[in-house]
Amino acid sequence: EAQVTQNPRYLITVTGKKLTVTCSQNMNHEYMSWYRQDPGLGLRQIYYSMNVEVTDKGDVPEGYKVSRKEKRNFPLILESPSPNQTSLYFCASSPLTGTRTDTQYFGPGTRLTVL
Amino acid sequence: DQQVKQNSPSLSVQEGRISILNCDYTNSMFDYFLWYKKYPAEGPTFLISISSIKDKNEDGRFTVFLNKSAKHLSLHIVPSQPGDSAVYFCAASAPRQGAQKLVFGQGTRLTINP
Repeated sequence: EAQVTQNPRYLITVTGKKLTVTCSQNMNHEYMSWYRQDPGLGLRQIYYSMNVEVTDKGDVPEGYKVSRKEKRNFPLILESPSPNQTSLYFCASSPLTGTRTDTQYFGPGTRLTVL
Repeated sequence: DQQVKQNSPSLSVQEGRISILNCDYTNSMFDYFLWYKKYPAEGPTFLISISSIKDKNEDGRFTVFLNKSAKHLSLHIVPSQPGDSAVYFCAASAPRQGAQKLVFGQGTRLTINP
C-alpha cells in the first residue's frame, strides 16, 4: 500500500529535550515536506526537500532541522523544543514530474506537546 | 500575512443539500488551486484542483469555481453526504514556486447533519 508513515503519532515531552519525528514514504517520491497545523493558521510549511541531500527552508523553519540521507526518509529534528512548538505535524511527499498536478500525499500526523 | 483565507471556521449543512465552502486569496501570482479534505486523526487528502486558465472544474459531486477577478474560489458539494463531514483546506501555488509549494488556508470544518 502506498503511504507516508510518521512516528510517533503522539508525543509529550519537556522543554529542551531533543526529539526526532520520523517520516518515511514508499512511493519513491523525490519531494518531501514537513508542515505544522495550528488553530486559525492552517498548515504552514517548515522544511522541504527536492531530493536526497537537498533541503530548504519553508515558511516557519526556526527551531527545526531536517535531513535527507535516503530518498524514502525525511526526519524532523527539534534540538531544543519549546512550548510554542506544540502543534500537529504532517509529513508529505510528492513526485516531481514537472507538472502542476503533482499531488502531495500526507502522513497521518504527529501530535506533539512540549511542556 | 495570510495569503489564503477561509473565513468560515465551520459550516453545518443538512444531508442531501448543497455545501458551499469559500476561499479567498490575496496573491495574484497564484495560478493553481487545490482543495484537501481531512478527517480526524488522518492526514489531508487531495480532493480537487483547478488551474487559473479555467473557471470551473467538476469531479462527481464536487465542483470548484474560480473567480480570478475577485480572487475567490469555492467548493460545491452536491448532494452532501454524512461522509463529507471533515475539515476542508483550500491551497494555492504560484508558477515560479512549483506545484509543491502550497500555501494553505485555515480550514473549514464541514458537518453534514442527517
